[in-house]
Amino acid sequence: AQKITQTQPGMFVQEKEAVTLDCTYDTSDQSYGLFWYKQPSSGEMIFLIYQGSYDEQNATEGRYSLNFQKARKSANLVISASQLGDSAMYFCAMRAKAAGNKLTFGGGTRVLVKP
Amino acid sequence: GAVVSQHPSWVICKSGTSVKIECRSLDFQATTMFWYRQFPKQSLMLMATSNEGSKATYEQGVEKDKFLINHASLTLSTLTVTSAHPEDSSFYICSGHSDTNQPQHFGDGTRLSIL
Repeated sequence: AQKITQTQPGMFVQEKEAVTLDCTYDTSDQSYGLFWYKQPSSGEMIFLIYQGSYDEQNATEGRYSLNFQKARKSANLVISASQLGDSAMYFCAMRAKAAGNKLTFGGGTRVLVKP
Repeated sequence: GAVVSQHPSWVICKSGTSVKIECRSLDFQATTMFWYRQFPKQSLMLMATSNEGSKATYEQGVEKDKFLINHASLTLSTLTVTSAHPEDSSFYICSGHSDTNQPQHFGDGTRLSIL
């Protein structure tokens, strides 16, 4: 079975500072992908970043970077230079072939950026 | 990036009516589409997976006769909530991908309120 755990239900971060959102996963599959999505209060799910299990380099997309530690089964998201518009729910998700390539989501972390 | 259009964004209707939600991939062919349900302050729960031209695969505990899914083309999937009742009120969101190596792209969601 696939499982994603996000241990931080909510976080405050000061504008312009960096924030790390924790994500750990559990799977017996060797081939899997890890995703982070942002969900603002309006509800849409915005794809942020992807890391494949065989990727040796940590993924980066603009201000987002993924700290992938395969041995620890963690895939933390780092948001640098936080902006007020970063306030949202953030979901970590995993897709594995063994699970039929369905996305399994973590419980989410709510981030509030303070001015 | 890939765009998924979901319509309507908001529905309020009386108990007992059926509601159809459409999910369209605008700039890619979605061989697989997924339907999720999200309760307030919770994560996304996968309801069903649909592949174009075949019957949907429902997750355990989801009533297939209650939530009818049709994926008649590579760009359109529909979810019909039949004989809706207040407990069906929720946020429903669809997603699609062109192949398993691509991230899922989400529609903006539908807020369904049954009176």
